[in-house]
Amino acid sequence: SQKIEQNSEALNIQEGKTATLTCNYTNYSPAYLQWYRQDPGRGPVFLLLIRENEKEKRKERLKVTFDTTLKQSLFHITASQPADSATYLCALPRSGGYNKLIFGAGTRLAVHP
Amino acid sequence: NAGVTQTPKFQVLKTGQSMTLQCAQDMNHEYMSWYRQDPGMGLRLIHYSVGAGITDQGEVPNGYNVSRSTTEDFPLRLLSAAPSQTSVYFCASSNKWGANQPQHFGDGTRLSIL
Repeated sequence: SQKIEQNSEALNIQEGKTATLTCNYTNYSPAYLQWYRQDPGRGPVFLLLIRENEKEKRKERLKVTFDTTLKQSLFHITASQPADSATYLCALPRSGGYNKLIFGAGTRLAVHP
Repeated sequence: NAGVTQTPKFQVLKTGQSMTLQCAQDMNHEYMSWYRQDPGMGLRLIHYSVGAGITDQGEVPNGYNVSRSTTEDFPLRLLSAAPSQTSVYFCASSNKWGANQPQHFGDGTRLSIL
């Protein structure tokens, strides 16, 4: 069965450093991968989508990589700020179409001043 | 911009009670879905709809019903609440059912079953 693994332990970093979050997946070859941000008490918010033929994608201070050989995506936030503190979820399409997604449990990022 | 609106935000039920969680979107999205989020687990798909009048089961459909009479609304009904249904419920919508469409989520309904 399809599985997504994200580090369940919180990532604590100092303001200004680069945060790197990992999303590993198994038994699957997705055509794309999505990243979401979720703040406490709120719904997830879409950040980026990367396709299997794109090695890297950037949006402002965010960068996502997609290594289909390693079955891994890395999510980077450069020059991190306390406002970046949130839980970050990765999601892959489920087989069967209709835009069904499977989500990882997320990794909580805490950026300290 | 309202986006996806869920009501109520919080609800406490007794075992065996029924209730309906409301979800409305104003983006004219065809695809809507319901997820539940439990601690340490990813969002799990309960039911989804690819358009008005069309619904189908997701990963964890037991104990829940849905209907889609309009493009805008997609209510989720708990038939007979059980403690295992204590969770945070999220409604989401996306444009079309393409496999590369971002999901737009509401802010959730926090449901406790006693």
